[in-house]
Order: sequence, then structure tokens, then C-alpha cells
Amino acid sequence: GNSVTQMEGPVTLSEEAFLTINCTYTATGYPSLFWYVQYPGEGLQLLLKATKADDKGSNKGFEATYRKETTSFHLEKGSVQVSDSAVYFCALSVYLSQFYFGTGTSLTVIP
Amino acid sequence: GAVVSQHPSWVICKSGTSVKIECRSLDFQATTMFWYRQFPKQSLMLMATSNEGSKATYEQGVEKDKFLINHASLTLSTLTVTSAHPEDSSFYICSARPILGTRQETQYFGPGTRLLVL
Repeated sequence: GNSVTQMEGPVTLSEEAFLTINCTYTATGYPSLFWYVQYPGEGLQLLLKATKADDKGSNKGFEATYRKETTSFHLEKGSVQVSDSAVYFCALSVYLSQFYFGTGTSLTVIP
Repeated sequence: GAVVSQHPSWVICKSGTSVKIECRSLDFQATTMFWYRQFPKQSLMLMATSNEGSKATYEQGVEKDKFLINHASLTLSTLTVTSAHPEDSSFYICSARPILGTRQETQYFGPGTRLLVL
């Protein structure tokens, strides 16, 4: 079946620290992979995506590389800011089917 | 581009009443819209998939007679919570998949509707 496993949170970092949020997946077929971000009280915003193996998605300093050999799509940012505090969801979709979400990882960045 | 709106953004109602939530894709057409429910500090739970002009497909455990979904046009889907009870209080989020183009594999999410049933 299709599923996404995300690292447990919450994660607390100091400003300018390096961020990694791990995400691994299982999928039937060839999934597209996504990272969404949810700020308090809001819906989900697409952060980045990758549609095939070895693709790198990037946006706002965040990056994630689609690793088929390790079935992973880890989210990274070199220097986090207080404004990056949010909940991050990893997700996959196969052949335009429904999305499968991870449980979300809460990130808090302190000045 | 790819903006999805929801209305209302929050609603408080009495137990036993019905509440309608609208989901609109503002700058694209969507044959498929999705309705999710999110409990505090949890992930999204897919409730149903809504296809324009046809009946919605509900996930296992979701009561279709309680959560009525109508997808009347390529830009509008509605979720009606009938005879709402306090346990229906939650954050409801819709998403829409563009009908055409390279964005088709992506879902775009609305800002959510917070429902509180007293």
C-alpha cells in the first residue's frame, strides 16, 4: 500500500540552525512527493514537490531530493528563521490518486 | 495562481443544526476536490473525494448521510454537516486538483473551516 512516515516532533531549533525533517515512504507505482507547510490556524500550503527519482524540489531555502533507492524525501534548510515555525507535512500521490500524508512535524524556531 | 477559498472560515452552531461549507477554486478549474478533517495536532484525514457531476466517494468510516458533498461545478464543492453534534467539531479542509496542465499532480488547499458545535 501507500504510506508516509515522518520523524516525530516537536522539533525546536535556534535561529540560523540547520534543519532536517526525515520522511520515508512506501508506494505502489511511481509516486510524486510533496512537502506542505501549515501555519497556526491556517490550511496547508505547498512548499515544494518532486515528481520523479533524483528530482530536487526547492522553495524559500528549503530543499528535498526524491531518493528512490532509499524511498526518502527528507526536507532540509541550511539556516532556519523564526518565521519558519510551523507544522510540516510530507505527502505522496500515485497516478493522480488521493494524497497520503505523514503525521506532521511541528517546528519551533527560537531567536 | 492556484488559489482555493473556503467559506466560512469558522462557524459556531447549536447541536442538531446543519452547516454548509463551501470550497471554491478561484483561478483554475478542478474536476476533483477533496475534503479532509483535521483534529488538533494531528494529520489530515481524507473524508471523501468529490468529482464534478457525480457522487462523492467516501472513505471507510465516514457517514455519507451525515457529511453531504455536492460538486455542482468545476469550481465549487460544498460539504454539509447534517444534524451536527459536538463530536463533529473539527477543522475541515478542502483541496482541489487542477483539471489540466503540469500542476495536475498537485493538490491546492483551502485555508480551512473551523467548526464548533455547542
